[in-house]
Amino acid sequence: ETGVTQSPTHLIKTRGQQVTLRCSSQSGHNTVSWYQQALGQGPQFIFQYYREEENGRGNFPPRFSGLQFPNYSSELNVNALELDDSALYLCASSLVPGLGTNEQFFGPGTRLTVL
Amino acid sequence: KQEVTQIPAALSVPEGENLVLNCSFTDSAIYNLQWFRQDPGKGLTSLLLIQSSQREQTSGRLNASLDKSSGRSTLYIAASQPGDSATYLCAVPPGGQNFVFGPGTRLSVLP
Repeated sequence: ETGVTQSPTHLIKTRGQQVTLRCSSQSGHNTVSWYQQALGQGPQFIFQYYREEENGRGNFPPRFSGLQFPNYSSELNVNALELDDSALYLCASSLVPGLGTNEQFFGPGTRLTVL
Repeated sequence: KQEVTQIPAALSVPEGENLVLNCSFTDSAIYNLQWFRQDPGKGLTSLLLIQSSQREQTSGRLNASLDKSSGRSTLYIAASQPGDSATYLCAVPPGGQNFVFGPGTRLSVLP
């Protein structure tokens, strides 16, 4: 069984640029959620994808967008980067979205630094 | 809106001590609660998942309890070891959707 993987591990961008982060879900999982974790804080929910459709969104602006592919892998895109976007971006996969036994399994994260 | 707090923010103990980490949440209408461990700069490792119908879960030296009515969960670590040093986060899914996380408790176990 393959765990959740993310790429790249580290990324440095400048203000105004665009970035794409990638996530491969755990084998058999069809739901992917993305979180942003600023230094010293708990992760904040960005959005979730289930069967290639967005299935819930946190309090993040539209310049944060995503995709899910037929193999359930996912991308997080951030446009017009701001300094405050510097954070660890975590991807989590689960067997089903939402209710009940939605235990989530996290990847190692992508550390984004915006200069 | 669900809010999750964790006390203490940081804890330093000598090796071998038993310790308790606390998690509180404001909305008791939860489906489950999950405890995670995070090493510096790394992703989250799931430790325990407690369903709303359960009172506690155990895994090795870890025991987590859940009291929905009072909005509290505790993580008990027995016979702590230096390898337990990490940040411990609790998380609850409001209405069964994605997790709302607490800020974490940073634990240092001194040899």
